[in-house]
Amino acid sequence: EAQVTQNPRYLITVTGKKLTVTCSQNMNHEYMSWYRQDPGLGLRQIYYSMNVEVTDKGDVPEGYKVSRKEKRNFPLILESPSPNQTSLYFCASSFSVGWPQHFGDGTRLSIL
Amino acid sequence: DAKTTQPPSMDCAEGRAANLPCNHSTISGNEYVYWYRQIHSQGPQYIIHGLKNNETNEMASLIITEDRKSSTLILPHATLRDTAVYYCIVRVAGRGTDKLIFGTGTRLQVFP
Repeated sequence: EAQVTQNPRYLITVTGKKLTVTCSQNMNHEYMSWYRQDPGLGLRQIYYSMNVEVTDKGDVPEGYKVSRKEKRNFPLILESPSPNQTSLYFCASSFSVGWPQHFGDGTRLSIL
Repeated sequence: DAKTTQPPSMDCAEGRAANLPCNHSTISGNEYVYWYRQIHSQGPQYIIHGLKNNETNEMASLIITEDRKSSTLILPHATLRDTAVYYCIVRVAGRGTDKLIFGTGTRLQVFP
């Protein structure tokens, strides 16, 4: 089944403890992206990747890192999480630029 | 980047057509109109997209005005499972960038 898989689905952690949210897609998609969703603000793009080893900042990249060493994986790294990064996070992928994006089921992060 | 304006909420009777409007008066010539929906806090689901012609697929129809400043998503026979938040999105896709700019969407409630 074609899908975008995020792990973990839920995480409660403390300020400053590094964490990684993994994202994997099995559709051989070139384009991948991370969004966060907060009440009243809709979804905002954090980072995106046009292809392997090609990443760029979205609208809210501060406090986040990403890497794209393999086509299927696009992990989101929070080096020193803070409470304002408490949010619902979505990973998305598409065949290429301009194609519809497929979203994962989301990761709900709580930073205490 | 073009922004979109949608009514915050709408109701629709089951079996009737749901017509969801969207204004995007600052849209540029190379920007597509995309529609996604989100059921509860699941990942957004792609519905349909268009540039200037009307489009139809198995889920919905998209009507774009001639001046491209507004559009309407039509769900021809709404069901209870269509209850969701619907996002009208202007997509900027080109060299070096591809992002979906999500607003706050329209919460569609389908009632029996």
